[in-house]
Amino acid sequence: AQTVTQSQPEMSVQEAETVTLSCTYDTSESDYYLFWYKQPPSRQMILVIRQEAYKQQNATENRFSVNFQKAAKSFSLKISDSQLGDAAMYFCAYRRGEDMRFGAGTRLTVKP
Amino acid sequence: DAMVIQNPRYQVTQFGKPVTLSCSQTLNHNVMYWYQQKSSQAPKLLFHYYDKDFNNEADTPDNFQSRRPNTSFCFLDIRSPGLGDAAMYLCATRSQPNQPQHFGDGTRLSIL
Repeated sequence: AQTVTQSQPEMSVQEAETVTLSCTYDTSESDYYLFWYKQPPSRQMILVIRQEAYKQQNATENRFSVNFQKAAKSFSLKISDSQLGDAAMYFCAYRRGEDMRFGAGTRLTVKP
Repeated sequence: DAMVIQNPRYQVTQFGKPVTLSCSQTLNHNVMYWYQQKSSQAPKLLFHYYDKDFNNEADTPDNFQSRRPNTSFCFLDIRSPGLGDAAMYLCATRSQPNQPQHFGDGTRLSIL
């Protein structure tokens, strides 16, 4: 079974600085999707960024970018110019077909 | 405008008393999912519908059932809730295989 590992249960960043959240996954497949979702306290889970495994170019969405290392099965999220509103639980997710697996999450705190 | 709507946001039921959670979508997506998310844990997929085709995860307890009477609505029925079923229940939808899932706000279920 595919597993997703987020090794950082909690991270903290100073406002306006950069933070990187780690994610590794295990799969024998070559075609799949990877996602980072953000879940603020008591609020909806929102897609932050996604990456198709067949694409070598790292995905970028404004202040959010990923470092996708397919051979290493690594998919880290970099948040630049961190804002107070970035504080949330971040989940890394792997999907192939309807098999969707989430990591345990990283709680990000942003300090003013 | 909310596109995946879950009602109610908070549900309290008694031990052993059947409860139904509802999810509706305005996106006309053909795939709908139910996840269980316990406190400080990753969402866990319970089952999903591809159109009317029901797909149960192997480790989903028999106590959990689902109905999808039409494209817009999907229900989660818990026949005899136990204390261990207290959790946030997330509904999600998806259209094309290369698209991400859209989540509702979730229903937090408490068992007395």
